[in-house]
Amino acid sequence: EDQVTQSPEALRLQEGESSSLNCSYTVSGLRGLFWYRQDPGKGPEFLFTLYSAGEEKEKERLKATLTKKESFLHITAPKPEDSATYLCAVHPGAGGTALIFGKGTTLSVSS
Amino acid sequence: EAGVTQSPTHLIKTRGQQATLRCSPISGHTSVYWYQQALGLGLQFLLWYDEGEERNRGNFPPRFSGRQFPNYSSELNVNALELEDSALYLCASSAWTGLDTQYFGPGTRLTVL
Repeated sequence: EDQVTQSPEALRLQEGESSSLNCSYTVSGLRGLFWYRQDPGKGPEFLFTLYSAGEEKEKERLKATLTKKESFLHITAPKPEDSATYLCAVHPGAGGTALIFGKGTTLSVSS
Repeated sequence: EAGVTQSPTHLIKTRGQQATLRCSPISGHTSVYWYQQALGLGLQFLLWYDEGEERNRGNFPPRFSGRQFPNYSSELNVNALELEDSALYLCASSAWTGLDTQYFGPGTRLTVL
């Protein structure tokens, strides 16, 4: 069964304290992995798409990497405005185009 | 460029009623997806429409249905509402089917009393 697991469920950081969020997946054939940011009560905001192992993408303080079994979202020197829930989703190789989402990591950054 | 829009923002219904939620995709996007995000659960895929046709549906009962109009906007209908239907309903659009990135709207918060 296709599955996406994110860890940790919640993460508290001090401003400037770098860390990483993990997304592990088991799918029949990965066609793409997506990272989104979601603020409370709002729709997910697209961050990155990764297609193949070894690929990396960066945006401001965020960097996403991909291996054959997992993806990491590295947050460098976070600020309070980075506080949000970060969602990982995969596009499996078969059966339509529905994304399979993990339950997310809720990040809190305090000043 | 305008993003995905959804209406209404909030919707309050009672058990057994019907709810209709609306979505307008990003201009130029032809595919529309509907997801349910219940409290404490991840996003669950509901329906996918492309070029006016239902292409795929998730593991939800038939009382969840919808359609896509010629201008690619879409509506989601939920019949015979149940308490557990209370959730944030998210619409996403993409430029073409397959691997293209899905962009989400702000969601409709449905509360069933």
